[in-house]
Amino acid sequence: KAGVTQTPRYLIKTRGQQVTLSCSPISGHRSVSWYQQTPGQGLQFLFEYFSETQRNKGNFPGRFSGRQFSNSRSEMNVSTLELGDSALYLCASSRNRAQDSPLHFGNGTRLTVT
Amino acid sequence: TQLLEQSPQFLSIQEGENLTVYCNSSSVFSSLQWYRQEPGEGPVLLVTVVTGGEVKKLKRLTFQFGDARKDSSLHITAAQPGDTGLYLCAGEAHEYGNKLVFGAGTILRVKS
Repeated sequence: KAGVTQTPRYLIKTRGQQVTLSCSPISGHRSVSWYQQTPGQGLQFLFEYFSETQRNKGNFPGRFSGRQFSNSRSEMNVSTLELGDSALYLCASSRNRAQDSPLHFGNGTRLTVT
Repeated sequence: TQLLEQSPQFLSIQEGENLTVYCNSSSVFSSLQWYRQEPGEGPVLLVTVVTGGEVKKLKRLTFQFGDARKDSSLHITAAQPGDTGLYLCAGEAHEYGNKLVFGAGTILRVKS
């Protein structure tokens, strides 16, 4: 059974640009959650999508957005990149809502903003 | 301020030693999870505890959920180099909108 797949693995962008990250969940999983991981802040919750609807949102500015498609694949977009957005972005899928079933994480996308 | 405080932040021990990692909060959690993350990979779920006072064992790892459901500990017996990694606790609490919040983690290094 394939795990959670995140693409790309590495990304280098310049301040002011925008970026789109992709996450393919485990087959049959309907929930996708996104986290930002930095050495200083640890894992910070961005948002959760379930059945194409955002069900929960963390305390991030509106520059961070996401969506989920009918096949449960999800994308995350960050506009007007800032240096502080450099981080490992992790996606996790679960069969049902994130609070009701175990999370399975992908290996992340390492974003560097210069 | 972290909603879940983990201690210690770093731990470097010799193979064969025992260790305990702590996860504390002032909030009551409906459940607590422990993950291990290795470099270049995402976190992997080790265990979920849901009942106050619950103890779960996974080979050489023992997990405990506090009676008041505000804290948890992870004890490793006879640590091995393969236990090296970042250990994260995560919990759900109604006051946080049932979002899964993570501690900052404990970096464990086991030397052979």
